[in-house]
Amino acid sequence: AQSVAQPEDQVNVAEGNPLTVKCTYSVSGNPYLFWYVQYPNRGLQFLLKYITGDNLVKGSYGFEAEFNKSQTSFHLKKPSALVSDSALYFCAVSASGGYQKVTFGTGTKLQVIP
Amino acid sequence: ETGVTQTPRHLVMGMTNKKSLKCEQHLGHNAMYWYKQSAKKPLELMFVYSLEERVENNSVPSRFSPECPNSSHLFLHLHTLQPEDSALYLCASSQDPQASVGTDTQYFGPGTRLTVL
Repeated sequence: AQSVAQPEDQVNVAEGNPLTVKCTYSVSGNPYLFWYVQYPNRGLQFLLKYITGDNLVKGSYGFEAEFNKSQTSFHLKKPSALVSDSALYFCAVSASGGYQKVTFGTGTKLQVIP
Repeated sequence: ETGVTQTPRHLVMGMTNKKSLKCEQHLGHNAMYWYKQSAKKPLELMFVYSLEERVENNSVPSRFSPECPNSSHLFLHLHTLQPEDSALYLCASSQDPQASVGTDTQYFGPGTRLTVL
């Protein structure tokens, strides 16, 4: 069975500092990895995904994520955090196959402090 | 952002009530999903419809009954719910999970905040 772990319930970072939100996964076969963001009272919004190719994936709003196969990780990063980045971030994984089953993590709350 | 809409946004119901949640997608997608979001738990996939056929039912209690009359609309019919069913119910759509071999991006609605008294 596939799974996703987001080890931090909350990450606090000062505005302007780099941020990292951690994600590790477990899946049989090749992983497809996603990051979604959820702002208060809103649904999840797609940020980026890794399918194949370059391990560094660039996404919306200046976010990027690095796929590390040996560490089974897909950490979300941004060089300079904004207060408006404060939200709930979800990592998700699926695997190759005829029908996609996506497994989401528990989410990490990012708080950017002015 | 408004490609997937959900109504109502908030719903309070008693355990003996019957109500329905509605989802509509305007993206021309072929697949639709229901998720349950509870605090500090992973997002729980409830049902998946692809081309109006149910392809996933994740051991969801029968008090939740989905309906997908066409590829743009998805309903979740609720009856005799329990207080532990209180949660945010999210609808999502994607192009076609069976064709995209795991790479399908999902687009979410804003959710319905359900409270069961």
